[in-house]
This record gives sequence, C-alpha cells and structure tokens, in this order.
Amino acid sequence: DQQVKQNSPSLSVQEGRISILNCDYTNSMFDYFLWYKKYPAEGPTFLISISSIKDKNEDGRFTVFLNKSAKHLSLHIVPSQPGDSAVYFCAASAIHQTGANNLFFGTGTRLTVIP
Amino acid sequence: DAGVTQSPTHLIKTRGQQVTLRCSPKSGHDTVSWYQQALGQGPQFIFQYYEEEERQRGNFPDRFSGHQFPNYSSELNVNALLLGDSALYLCASSLGPPQSDWYEQYFGPGTRLTVT
Repeated sequence: DQQVKQNSPSLSVQEGRISILNCDYTNSMFDYFLWYKKYPAEGPTFLISISSIKDKNEDGRFTVFLNKSAKHLSLHIVPSQPGDSAVYFCAASAIHQTGANNLFFGTGTRLTVIP
Repeated sequence: DAGVTQSPTHLIKTRGQQVTLRCSPKSGHDTVSWYQQALGQGPQFIFQYYEEEERQRGNFPDRFSGHQFPNYSSELNVNALLLGDSALYLCASSLGPPQSDWYEQYFGPGTRLTVT
C-alpha cells in the first residue's frame, strides 16, 4: 500500500520559471515531510523538510507547502535552473514506538529544466 | 567531513548465493537505516539500527539481516538471493531522537546488486 504518492512521473519547465512538484499522502500520523533530489548513480540528497505542525518552509529557491487537511504537499523551485534537472522524491517520516523512524517514499518525479 | 560511504559500488551474484553490503555513516551520526530501491520505484525501508540493535524493520523477509558495529558502521546481509533482489541498496545515517533534526536521513551513493 503506497502511503506516499507522486502522481506526475515527469515535469518539464523553462529555465527561470517556477517548478511545482506535488505529493499526496494517506497516513495522518506522519510527523515530518522531506524532499530529496537524486542524480543518476548517486544517492538521494536531502533538500528541505517541513514539520507537520507548519504549513510552509522556505530555503533559498526552494519552498515546501503543506496542506494537512488535503494530505498534500508541494515543492516550489523559483527560479528553476538547468542544474535542478534530477529526480525528486517526496518522503514522509513516521516515528515508531521504539524511537526508530523510517521514511516512506513516493515514486519520484523527473524534473527537466530546459535552458 | 565525510558523508555516508558504501561498498562495494556494484556487485553481481548468482541466485541462491549470499551477499554482504557495507556502510559507514556520516561523521557524528549514530543511526543507520537500509533501503532497497527497485528500478522506477522510490526507496523502501528495510530496517534501522541504533546502539547495535535493530530498532525497526520494514516488510522484508528474514533473508535480510543486518548488524551495527560499535563504531556505528553497518552491514546488510542477504541470504538465498532471488532474481527479485536485484536493486540499488541505499544506506542512510541520522541522529537518533531527541537530537534536533533527528528525522533527516542522509544517504550514501548505494550499492547496485544484480542477481543472475
């Protein structure tokens, strides 16, 4: 059962414009949400996170928005740059009763920024 | 500051064999998690180790086992390999709660396992 979903496998955006990547989740017990970027032959690189008690977090060109009532989050990249071309994964963190936490990942969205 | 390192980079094994993958966490991190990423999918949680004990396990069979050493490095062992075990195996390290930013996991480059 996929608890985190990214329904757009790919997205193409012109350089300088805004990129918006979307993510939906089903488990209301998730306490943190994270976005990772992945280049080929590399592991996922942490980009930005947001606590479930907030609705926005901004870091430079990257902003994540969380809508808890809709169980939806989005990553905005402004302005988009060719170096942003990669696969972006949405992930949600759940803390276990043992104190462990694991990440649930979506299937990823491939972003292509066209120069 | 060294990030998460994994070895080997690539591995080819035959069905029924056993494999051991290794991971060294980011400096200062004490928690190691392992994930399996099949082609076209997101990473799937296998298990997490803290203080040399398995703290949580995902939906993977007992053929998958692990270990954490006193220096926080970790191994993932897979026995009786199946063709379906072919995947990218990712190691991630983090700080255990209640440290700040405990939920952020930092990933290594992965080990690409091919089972023939």
